[in-house]
Amino acid sequence: DVKVTQSSRYLVKRTGEKVFLECVQDMDHENMFWYRQDPGLGLRLIYFSYDVKMKEKGDIPEGYSVSREKKERFSLILESASTNQTSMYLCASSPYPPLQGSNYGYTFGSGTRLTVV
Amino acid sequence: GNSVTQMEGPVTLSEEAFLTINCTYTATGYPSLFWYVQYPGEGLQLLLKATKADDKGSNKGFEATYRKETTSFHLEKGSVQVSDSAVYFCALSEWGAQKLVFGQGTRLTINP
Repeated sequence: DVKVTQSSRYLVKRTGEKVFLECVQDMDHENMFWYRQDPGLGLRLIYFSYDVKMKEKGDIPEGYSVSREKKERFSLILESASTNQTSMYLCASSPYPPLQGSNYGYTFGSGTRLTVV
Repeated sequence: GNSVTQMEGPVTLSEEAFLTINCTYTATGYPSLFWYVQYPGEGLQLLLKATKADDKGSNKGFEATYRKETTSFHLEKGSVQVSDSAVYFCALSEWGAQKLVFGQGTRLTINP
């Protein structure tokens, strides 16, 4: 069963800590994405990557960075965690080119609920 | 830029009621439209999609029609079940853009 795996389901970190959220996909997808989910705001794109070592900023990149050293792994880094980064983080992957007539092949992980105290 | 607006939630219905969740969009080109569902404690799953005007997407009793003239993609179901309780997201993607743009989500609760 193909899937996107996020390393932690729940995470509690202290303000100022450096936080790593890991995501691994086993579908050989080119594209990988990090979204943040907040009530009333839906999902907002933080960063995405369309190839190894390539990245592009999404709508809310401030306070975050990413790393993609291998095709299957996409890491989200909070350089210095703050309480306003408490949220649900969702990773997704998709193939390129997008699958014709499909949902573009997006597959989502189950999410990491991060609490910064 | 592209955007998606969903009706405000939360929505609470009784079992077997008729469901409509409104979704409108703004896009510069000709997007594909999607409804995703998120059950408690899980990630997002594709519910249905439509890739061009007048297409109707359907799955698990849910339907949505791509209306270009009203820039809408409303989700409907004739008779909801308790198991339909979830958060529903409308989304769009323009061809080649590779990114999904989501609405704010609508939490649906179905009471027995």
